[in-house]
Amino acid sequence: IAGITQAPTSQILAAGRRMTLRCTQDMRHNAMYWYRQDLGLGLRLIHYSNTAGTTGKGEVPDGYSVSRANTDDFPLTLASAVPSQTSVYFCASSDRTDSGANVLTFGAGSRLTVL
Amino acid sequence: GQNIDQPTEMTATEGAIVQINCTYQTSGFNGLFWYQQHAGEAPTFLSYNVLDGLEEKGRFSSFLSRSKGYSYLLLKELQMKDSASYLCAVRDSNYQLIWGAGTKLIIKP
Repeated sequence: IAGITQAPTSQILAAGRRMTLRCTQDMRHNAMYWYRQDLGLGLRLIHYSNTAGTTGKGEVPDGYSVSRANTDDFPLTLASAVPSQTSVYFCASSDRTDSGANVLTFGAGSRLTVL
Repeated sequence: GQNIDQPTEMTATEGAIVQINCTYQTSGFNGLFWYQQHAGEAPTFLSYNVLDGLEEKGRFSSFLSRSKGYSYLLLKELQMKDSASYLCAVRDSNYQLIWGAGTKLIIKP
């Protein structure tokens, strides 16, 4: 089934630890995104990539890094986790960046708790 | 600053009609989206408006007025499975999506 796979589904992490959230899509979409979703707030963009080999900063990039070595994979790394990074993280992709509907397809999410 | 406003929570009765409003103030406008998100799941696309007017898709319709910075999502013949959060998002002049906090819709029998 075509779509986006995120891993892990859920993780509890000690503060200060390094963590990588994995995201893989099989739709050959050009653009990929990482969002965090917190109660009472809208989805907030962390980082994005319009095409393989390029990345950009979103609204809340501090404390996070990404890479886009190929079309399919877009991992998100927390270098040294802090409790404020406790959130649900969604990876998404789309086939166009600036025309038409540019509908996002989301992964199932990764729930991260930093203690 | 950029802002998307939608009610936090609404309650409606099975079989009825509900209208979820969204107002926005953004740097430019390149389309408005509605997504549905069931609890614990990923958002899924419902509708897209870029021109003023009503877009109808089955039981769901979405309306846009760009001059008023306003949209609504209309859900008809409500079913229990429509209980979910509904997210309004606007694509700004930089083609980035600005998201509202979502409206939690509770359907009662």
